[in-house]
Amino acid sequence: ETGVTQTPRHLVMGMTNKKSLKCEQHLGHNAMYWYKQSAKKPLELMFVYSLEERVENNSVPSRFSPECPNSSHLFLHLHTLQPEDSALYLCASSQDNILGGPYEQYFGPGTRLTVT
Amino acid sequence: TQLLEQSPQFLSIQEGENLTVYCNSSSVFSSLQWYRQEPGEGPVLLVTVVTGGEVKKLKRLTFQFGDARKDSSLHITAAQPGDTGLYLCAGFPYNQGGKLIFGQGTELSVKP
Repeated sequence: ETGVTQTPRHLVMGMTNKKSLKCEQHLGHNAMYWYKQSAKKPLELMFVYSLEERVENNSVPSRFSPECPNSSHLFLHLHTLQPEDSALYLCASSQDNILGGPYEQYFGPGTRLTVT
Repeated sequence: TQLLEQSPQFLSIQEGENLTVYCNSSSVFSSLQWYRQEPGEGPVLLVTVVTGGEVKKLKRLTFQFGDARKDSSLHITAAQPGDTGLYLCAGFPYNQGGKLIFGQGTELSVKP
């Protein structure tokens, strides 16, 4: 596998379910990101991990819980979601650049989540 | 809050036509990027512009960064069906470290 992979690619879950999204990067990067992409809205940055430490949490509801066990893997644990959480969830990685840009983010193909 | 406004949001043209997509803000950015996203895939970086007034060309695509570093444009010459996709501008706000913010995207459809 190369680049950034995400599983599953599609997920349908009820509001009472618990599920997890997985992201893996094979690029040797040390920063990983979760984004939410909804139609007609800008990509919303949810979480940023740098060197396995969470460095940004953009006021995301607690029903989304990230986990970064190592620099290559990132999870997003989901529980008691709402229908408005239905969206494409994108994972990305990059070389950490806390001093400033520019840097390139490499995105995975995303998980299309539908909450019923 | 720094915002990047893209226009138009949707564009449907015939093969061979030219088009321009705009990315505007009231804030200054240290650099701007353009990404392209195809259906079922994540965004892929096309270009980064860093200097005010900078122009970069990538085959039939021309990218320009505004002199004041508040706006950018993407011009496609002789569009082809393979150019179809979602074009996203993204910027690093000035003096905000490595934070990257995205515009809402321009959905381009090029019909043969």
